[in-house]
Amino acid sequence: SQTIHQWPATLVQPVGSPLSLECTVEGTSNPNLYWYRQAAGRGLQLLFYSVGIGQISSEVPQNLSASRPQDRQFILSSKKLLLSDSGFYLCAWKQAPRTDTQYFGPGTRLTVL
Amino acid sequence: AQSVTQLGSHVSVSEGALVLLRCNYSSSVPPYLFWYVQYPNQGLQLLLKYTSAATLVKGINGFEAEFKKSETSFHLTKPSAHMSDAAEYFCAVIGGTSYGKLTFGQGTILTVHP
Repeated sequence: SQTIHQWPATLVQPVGSPLSLECTVEGTSNPNLYWYRQAAGRGLQLLFYSVGIGQISSEVPQNLSASRPQDRQFILSSKKLLLSDSGFYLCAWKQAPRTDTQYFGPGTRLTVL
Repeated sequence: AQSVTQLGSHVSVSEGALVLLRCNYSSSVPPYLFWYVQYPNQGLQLLLKYTSAATLVKGINGFEAEFKKSETSFHLTKPSAHMSDAAEYFCAVIGGTSYGKLTFGQGTILTVHP
C-alpha cells in the first residue's frame, strides 16, 4: 500500500530564516505531487504541483519554491520566510495520469515569528 | 474554471441527529467531486468521491452524498451523528485539468453535542 510522509510535523522559524519541508511517497512510482497551504480563514490553496522529476509548476507567485529531486520526493523551500508564510502545509499525491483521487500527508504546521 | 461554495462555515448538531453539509459547485466540464474530512492538526482524509458513475455515493464512516446536476450540488449527509464526526469537512472539485488540480470550498466545521 501507499503511504505519504511529511516532516517536520511542526516548525517555528524567525522571519527571514530559510525553510525546507520534505514530502516523500512510498509504494508507488511516477506520482503527481502537490503542495497546498492552509492558512487561517483562507481555505486550502494549491501552491505547486509536479508531474515528474524536475518538473515544477507554480500556481501562486510567492516567496516559496518547490523542487522534485527524486521521483517520490517533493521539497518546499524558501530563502527568507515572511510572517505571511505561516500556515499548515499539506503534501498530496495521485497516481498519474488517469486516476482522480489525491491523497494527503499528515501536514507540517509552520509558525513564523 | 471551477469553484466550490460550502454553505455554512459552522454546523452544530446533536448526537444522533441528521448531518447535512451543503456544497455547490461550478464547473465548465463534467466535474469530479470529493468530500474530505480533516481532524485537528491532521491531513485530509477522503470520505467519498463522485466520478460520473452512480449519483448517490456512499463513503466511509456512514456518510453519503448525492450528485444533483440540475442543482449543481453535492451535499454530504449522515443519518445519525456521532461525537467522533466532529471535524472540518471540505468539498472539492476537479474540472478536467490533466494534472488534477483540486479546487476546495472554504470548509465547514461540524460540532456534535452530546
